[in-house]
Amino acid sequence: DIQMTQSPSSLSASVGDRVTITCRASQSISSYLNWYQQKPGTAPNLLIYAASTLQSGVPSRFSGSGSGTDFTLTISSLQPEDSATYYCQQSYIIPWTFGQGTKVEIK
Amino acid sequence: EVQVVESGGGLVQPGGSLRLSCAASGFTFSNYWMSWVRQGPGKGLEWVANIENGGAEKFYVDSVKGRFTISRDNAQNSLSLQMNSLRAEDTAIYYCARLFSRWYFDVWGRGTQVTVSS
Repeated sequence: DIQMTQSPSSLSASVGDRVTITCRASQSISSYLNWYQQKPGTAPNLLIYAASTLQSGVPSRFSGSGSGTDFTLTISSLQPEDSATYYCQQSYIIPWTFGQGTKVEIK
Repeated sequence: EVQVVESGGGLVQPGGSLRLSCAASGFTFSNYWMSWVRQGPGKGLEWVANIENGGAEKFYVDSVKGRFTISRDNAQNSLSLQMNSLRAEDTAIYYCARLFSRWYFDVWGRGTQVTVSS
C-alpha cells in the first residue's frame, strides 16, 4: 500500500499568515493527489484535485503543487474560517490512502 | 441540489450485520462511480470501497474484503454497503461519496454512525 505522510501534524498560525502543508507519498503517484478540508462534526470537503486544480467554489487563497512523491497545500492568507483538519489522498493505486491529517488552528 | 444522504447506521454486536444505504439526488447517478469512506472515532479518513457506474467493478480495502459488499441500484439512485462479521474496529462514521472522473471525491454525505460493541 502507498503510505501518505503529512507534515506537520498540527500548526497554529495567525490570520493573514501564509501556511504550507506537505504531503509525501511512499512511491510515485504522478499527480493523483487530492486535498480535503474537514471541520469538526462535518463531512470532508474537496479543495484541490489532481495535485493543483482548484475545485469550483473554493477560495483562491488555496493552492496545490507537486508531482511524483512530494506535494504541498498552501493557504496564501489564513482566514478564521480555515480552522480545520486537512487531508491529502492518493487515487493512483488501490487501496486509495489518506494522510493522517494536519490540524490548523488560528492563534 | 446535488446531494447524497446516508442511512442505516446503528449499534450492532460483534459478529453482527448491518446494511447502509445512500440516496442520491440532483445528478445522473448512473454516470458516476461511487464510494464509501469511513472515519473511526478521533481518527483520520479511510477509503473502504468503490463501485463503477454500472455496478460490475468493485474494489475494497483489504480489511473489509470478504465481509463487506458494495452495490448499487441505478433505477433507484441508491448505493448500499452490506457489512457482515462486524468487528469493534469497524466502528466509525461511514460516508457515501461521489467520485468525479473516477479519481476524487467531490460530493459527500453527512455520514452515518456505525458502532460495533457488546
